Amino acid sequence: ETGVTQTPRHLVMGMTNKKSLKCEQHLGHNAMYWYKQSAKKPLELMFVYSLEERVENNSVPSRFSPECPNSSHLFLHLHTLQPEDSALYLCASSQDRTSGGWNEQFFGPGTRLTVL
Amino acid sequence: AQKVTQAQTEISVVEKEDVTLDCVYETRDTTYYLFWYKQPPSGELVFLIRRNSFDEQNEISGRYSWNFQKSTSSFNFTITASQVVDSAVYFCALSRETSGSRLTFGEGTQLTVNP
Repeated sequence: ETGVTQTPRHLVMGMTNKKSLKCEQHLGHNAMYWYKQSAKKPLELMFVYSLEERVENNSVPSRFSPECPNSSHLFLHLHTLQPEDSALYLCASSQDRTSGGWNEQFFGPGTRLTVL
Repeated sequence: AQKVTQAQTEISVVEKEDVTLDCVYETRDTTYYLFWYKQPPSGELVFLIRRNSFDEQNEISGRYSWNFQKSTSSFNFTITASQVVDSAVYFCALSRETSGSRLTFGEGTQLTVNP
């Protein structure tokens, strides 16, 4: 595997379900991100992890719970979601510039989430 | 506060036409970085280019070229001799020098290249 991978690619869930999105990066980066992309809206940054520590949480509802067990893996745990949470969820990674590396973000293919 | 504006929501051209995607940004920082990403129908954002605020040289990469003008806070992207495979949503983004990789994205421009 190369780059940034995300599983599952598609997910349909009811409002009472609990599910998790998984992201894995194979680029040796030290920062990972979750974005939400809704139709006709800019990408919304949800969470940022740098060196496995959460450094940014952009007023995301508590029904979204991130987890970063190591620098290569990032999860987004979902519970009691609402239909308006239906969107494409994108994961990205980068080499945090505090380490002196490049700061381009490399994105995964996304998980298309539908909440019924 | 930072802001990126892509005023063109959708553009449709015929193959082989040249097309320019506009990007205007707002920032109070003197050091910042600008990016363009391409999002094909598969969903994955593909990095195209990064420029820093000190480098106003235009850049050309094959059929792609970028025009960075600090005086007008613009970072426009031109595709020459467009092809059907160029059809995608294109995002312009801005990051602050002090915030590492935190990107502020524009709303994107949907480019459709028709055969």
